[in-house]
Amino acid sequence: QSALTQPASVSGSPGQSITISCTGTSSDVGSYNLVSWYQQHPGKAPKLMIYEGSKRPSGVSNRFSGSKSGNTASLTISGLQAEDEADYYCCSYAGSSTVGVFGGGTKLTVL
Amino acid sequence: EVQLVESGGGLVQPGGSLRLSCAASGFTFSSYAMSWVRQAPGKGLEWVSAISGSGGSTYYADSVKGRFTISRDNSKNTLYLQMNSLRAEDTAVYYCAKGGYDILTGYWLDVWGKGTTVTVSS
Repeated sequence: QSALTQPASVSGSPGQSITISCTGTSSDVGSYNLVSWYQQHPGKAPKLMIYEGSKRPSGVSNRFSGSKSGNTASLTISGLQAEDEADYYCCSYAGSSTVGVFGGGTKLTVL
Repeated sequence: EVQLVESGGGLVQPGGSLRLSCAASGFTFSSYAMSWVRQAPGKGLEWVSAISGSGGSTYYADSVKGRFTISRDNSKNTLYLQMNSLRAEDTAVYYCAKGGYDILTGYWLDVWGKGTTVTVSS
């Protein structure tokens, strides 16, 4: 159950686009289309932003999109807004006998 | 409104026990897997345990296997986490979360509670 690998931080200016990567292995990210992404503001509970790799829950802005290639999943946020500044975590299903595995988290700073 | 409310956190000595509860409302509780996820101070998220909608299947992180037990009472719409042999490294905010499906771990977590804080210290 090794954590997925995310960059510690990314930054962008308002209106720009950023991408956060999430690298796993052939036992998790690479084997299933079941990566989810969570946004967490300081002192708040996480919020689901993307599930099944690229699907958005109702109410989540279409500025958020997800994709996957091989063992790496990505979250792209377009048209950056100040309110997007938060920590972002990826998570992958890791098989039928264990819990899911999270990435270490990425702090997004909107400059 | 879908809502999850955790309770039962507190200060406990190393080696002690604690039971967390999560009261669910606003959805058909038995139709979804449920999970506990924790976050140590200043650290990332860790998926601790999950239970299928029926309660027949349970899953644990290696870090808590043999010490924590997840359970649910579908008649009371309540999820539990019994934590024994607690260690300093179990200190964290513990979140209750609803899975996307009823089977296995539910695959993703689409509703989260506000969390309850567990502190293990002498």
